[in-house]
Amino acid sequence: DGGITQSPKYLFRKEGQNVTLSCEQNLNHDAMYWYRQDPGQGLRLIYYSQIVNDFQKGDIAEGYSVSREKKESFPLTVTSAQKNPTAFYLCASSSEGDETQYFGPGTRLLVL
Amino acid sequence: GENVEQHPSTLSVQEGDSAVIKCTYSDSASNYFPWYKQELGKRPQLIIDIRSNVGEKKDQRIAVTLNKTAKHFSLHITETQPEDSAVYFCAPKGAGRRALTFGSGTRLQVQP
Repeated sequence: DGGITQSPKYLFRKEGQNVTLSCEQNLNHDAMYWYRQDPGQGLRLIYYSQIVNDFQKGDIAEGYSVSREKKESFPLTVTSAQKNPTAFYLCASSSEGDETQYFGPGTRLLVL
Repeated sequence: GENVEQHPSTLSVQEGDSAVIKCTYSDSASNYFPWYKQELGKRPQLIIDIRSNVGEKKDQRIAVTLNKTAKHFSLHITETQPEDSAVYFCAPKGAGRRALTFGSGTRLQVQP
């Protein structure tokens, strides 16, 4: 999982602002995922992408958007429509035919 | 979608004792059953997984057992050590889903 990077480590959002979290992988994995983790909770799926230029909503997609223009990159935008964005955001990837997901180090988003 | 329950939510054991965490799932077609370990502020890391054609798998002090009839699988840690202290998540994958569904986590504390 050292091949997945997320930036920034901490991100501060002002009211009404859109912010974008970066996720890059050099593992040549086809599938990428975004999860949200609230304190003391499990991970909830926001969006996932199985191939370039294609992505599907997860369980809590409202207020978020993604793009998958390159195999290596899967950025997540937290829009102003997401009223409670404070959380730990984790990106993951997996290869075709292998269910194992490898996680990035995460981005902690805080609201000012 | 898949409903996942994990028990107990917290577990405290003495060093050297065994620990068992149980995960119950709802989708009878689930075919992949991993356990992840997450240390405070860090990313989840896969520690062991099992597929539906196997009943038990062991890796040194860690084992996973699967009961497909009852729709549950368990994580067993023997000879616990302080470095085993972390939050453990089960994350079964339903046959119709590309992504994992995470349980709410079990906080394991190993007392020296």
